[in-house]
Amino acid sequence: DTEVTQTPKHLVMGMTNKKSLKCEQHMGHRAMYWYKQKAKKPPELMFVYSYEKLSINESVPSRFSPECPNSSLLNLHLHALQPEDSALYLCASSQEGQGNTGELFFGEGSRLTVL
Amino acid sequence: LAKTTQPISMDSYEGQEVNITCSHNNIATNDYITWYQQFPSQGPRFIIQGYKTKVTNEVASLFIPADRKSSTLSLPRVSLSDTAVYYCLVGDMRDPGGYNKLIFGAGTRLAVHP
Repeated sequence: DTEVTQTPKHLVMGMTNKKSLKCEQHMGHRAMYWYKQKAKKPPELMFVYSYEKLSINESVPSRFSPECPNSSLLNLHLHALQPEDSALYLCASSQEGQGNTGELFFGEGSRLTVL
Repeated sequence: LAKTTQPISMDSYEGQEVNITCSHNNIATNDYITWYQQFPSQGPRFIIQGYKTKVTNEVASLFIPADRKSSTLSLPRVSLSDTAVYYCLVGDMRDPGGYNKLIFGAGTRLAVHP
């Protein structure tokens, strides 16, 4: 299984809603990532989890709250978002330690629209 | 982190070879060069990775000169389905933290025409 699965594929929410994006991988990877991608722009790194611990937070606003319940799952909790937060949210995973080839495995993304 | 510079866009025709060059003047000794391909509304997909000289796989070749300040992704005989954005990333795969802080540059939009 070489897949990273993201749900939902599409999400529309109001600025007062609370929603979550979910990501799952069963490749035994111990690093997981959230990227945000606006139209015609490159993916921007948001968070990195290493061994279920938050390792990198790229100065992301607190209305985005990541969670890594176990080594296979990564969530992104959304609350009080703004219309400019509308984007494609990509989850990725990679191996750790000596098995680390540097290859990131990406999911298909969750397309978020904030009204 | 090493910054990368690529052409914004390129055009080609079916059956031609396409070469996309990436500049990374401040590449560090431990940095590897990795290329990803991304189709619209999909996540990026790994194409190829190298450290020096030449690497070839079933889809592409990667040429890296001795000074490693640039690299060239070569796509042989492109087809319409190769129309995508191609990203060059440079980073240390042996980060002590065990993870990769890979930063995407602007990428190159390749359009393949019939």
